[in-house]
Amino acid sequence: DAKTTQPPSMDCAEGRAANLPCNHSTISGNEYVYWYRQIHSQGPQYIIHGLKNNETNEMASLIITEDRKSSTLILPHATLRDTAVYYCIVRFSNTGNQFYFGTGTSLTVIP
Amino acid sequence: GAGVSQSPSNKVTEKGKDVELRCDPISGHTALYWYRQSLGQGLEFLIYFQGNSAPDKSGLPSDRFSAERTGGSVSTLTIQRTQQEDSAVYLCASSLALDYEQYFGPGTRLTVT
Repeated sequence: DAKTTQPPSMDCAEGRAANLPCNHSTISGNEYVYWYRQIHSQGPQYIIHGLKNNETNEMASLIITEDRKSSTLILPHATLRDTAVYYCIVRFSNTGNQFYFGTGTSLTVIP
Repeated sequence: GAGVSQSPSNKVTEKGKDVELRCDPISGHTALYWYRQSLGQGLEFLIYFQGNSAPDKSGLPSDRFSAERTGGSVSTLTIQRTQQEDSAVYLCASSLALDYEQYFGPGTRLTVT
């Protein structure tokens, strides 16, 4: 019973923008969307989060659709070090405050 | 400052033995989370603590799994009568409070032979 849906893999050319989509159609009004990434053999690393508005920090930008049913993580200038599995996570209060990670998207940045 | 630490980093145990995994969260973080990740799989949420309380234990895979947190700090995840399917990396995370970003530890790799 997937709470979020992500494509299993994507490639991106080095220096280009990487756009990673996530569907979260059952998200409730007060629940945030978080993005994390996991580089091989390491614990996940926080990237960014948002509620309604688009957000930007030093790592990435997060675009959330107006209906909040999907979001896109944007890495503006992908580098080889951005090769990782990217997880979209939302908190679903109607399931007892469990935290569900998405299936993850394996991003490969190609030289 | 110090991040989330977990011990041991690796644990090999025989089927049927009990194991205890430890997590030291970032100081001052009130929320603590346990996940596991099987080889090549995504993260599976197990349980979270707000302070010393775990309001929802339904994510634990079976009654062989238990977790506790004392003093609002260190947490232990105990697996009794380990089975081979328990082999995974067990990850701990902490956050300042619920709904804040989670900071993950390096994980404990558990191998049940």
